[in-house]
Amino acid sequence: GAVVSQHPSWVICKSGTSVKIECRSLDFQATTMFWYRQFPKQSLMLMATSNEGSKATYEQGVEKDKFLINHASLTLSTLTVTSAHPEDSSFYICSARDQGQPYSNQPQHFGDGTRLSIL
Amino acid sequence: GENVEQHPSTLSVQEGDSAVIKCTYSDSASNYFPWYKQELGKRPQLIIDIRSNVGEKKDQRIAVTLNKTAKHFSLHITETQPEDSAVYFCAASRSQAGTALIFGKGTTLSVSS
Repeated sequence: GAVVSQHPSWVICKSGTSVKIECRSLDFQATTMFWYRQFPKQSLMLMATSNEGSKATYEQGVEKDKFLINHASLTLSTLTVTSAHPEDSSFYICSARDQGQPYSNQPQHFGDGTRLSIL
Repeated sequence: GENVEQHPSTLSVQEGDSAVIKCTYSDSASNYFPWYKQELGKRPQLIIDIRSNVGEKKDQRIAVTLNKTAKHFSLHITETQPEDSAVYFCAASRSQAGTALIFGKGTTLSVSS
């Protein structure tokens, strides 16, 4: 079945560091991918919609200059948390749908998530 | 945009009992409603979904019902088992490509033996 690979799975770094997270669709193409953030014991909150070859669409309250999204190919989207601070510590997770299949037959596929800890 | 409300936030049942989790949504154009189970530190796992052209769907011990008029949908788990203990999320979206899932706040289900 369709697989979304997310890397790294866990990052611990110092405050002020920039961290890049990769999201790959391994056996399908995705012109659109989604980035979510999940704080402990909370829900998945949509951060942005990543669009291949164009700018990402950010949700209200999400700083586009802090969370840089690049979707340079049909199988890869990256999220860079710039100048990360402890309040950015969270579980980041991406998702994508196989857009080569009819929508009615395809659910969203989630990556395994990245646990980001900023010291 | 879409807003999804989910209740209850916590639910404790005895093994063998049924569990019901309810969600409401605001966007009348939403027509896809999945339910996810998430274990600590892991990705959400799709357990069942329903589209707006049906009112009910069942898969063994799990069923989902949808009332489009009232804009609410529910997850029903029968004969609960301890391994059903997890956080459950409902979500809603439109069916257009490029539309994200919007999640409810989650329900922590605890099944005691």
